[in-house]
Amino acid sequence: AQSVTQPDIHITVSEGASLELRCNYSYGATPYLFWYVQSPGQGLQLLLKYFSGDTLVQGIKGFEAEFKRSQSSFNLRKPSVHWSDAAEYFCAVARSGNTGKLIFGQGTTLQVKP
Amino acid sequence: DTAVSQTPKYLVTQMGNDKSIKCEQNLGHDTMYWYKQDSKKFLKIMFSYNNKELIINETVPNRFSPKSPDKAHLNLHINSLELGDSAVYFCASSQGGEGSPLHFGNGTRLTVT
Repeated sequence: AQSVTQPDIHITVSEGASLELRCNYSYGATPYLFWYVQSPGQGLQLLLKYFSGDTLVQGIKGFEAEFKRSQSSFNLRKPSVHWSDAAEYFCAVARSGNTGKLIFGQGTTLQVKP
Repeated sequence: DTAVSQTPKYLVTQMGNDKSIKCEQNLGHDTMYWYKQDSKKFLKIMFSYNNKELIINETVPNRFSPKSPDKAHLNLHINSLELGDSAVYFCASSQGGEGSPLHFGNGTRLTVT
């Protein structure tokens, strides 16, 4: 069965510092991978997605993620964090043929220090 | 110009009551979903409809009944509410093609007392 693990429940970074949020997945084939962000009281917004091709994908708001098959990882990165990036971040996986059924990780809460 | 809108935003009710949450999308998408986010922020799919037809029905108690009057609307009716039903319910839609991203509404926070 598919599963997603986000090892860091809570991360605090200083504004302007770099950020990496970890995501590991369990799936037999190449999955469809997504990162979503949830601001307080809001729905989830898609940051980026990976299906195939270039393993480094660019998303909105300056985020990028790298797919590493050998490590079953899809880590999210941003070179310089802004205070407005404070939110909940969810990694999700879906399998081919049923890509609307997202399996989410537990989420990582990002706090940004001024 | 909201893409996926849910009403109400907050719903407080007592155990045993029946309540509904409405969802509408103006994106022209074919597929709509209900996801549940529990108190630990864990998100799980409940239902999916494609062109008014149920295509995903996870192991959800049959007290939960989705209804799709047309492909732009997917409502969620819950009978005999229980304390454990307290959660945030998210509606979402997608074009339905392979890998189409989901567009989420802002959620309905249901509190059962």
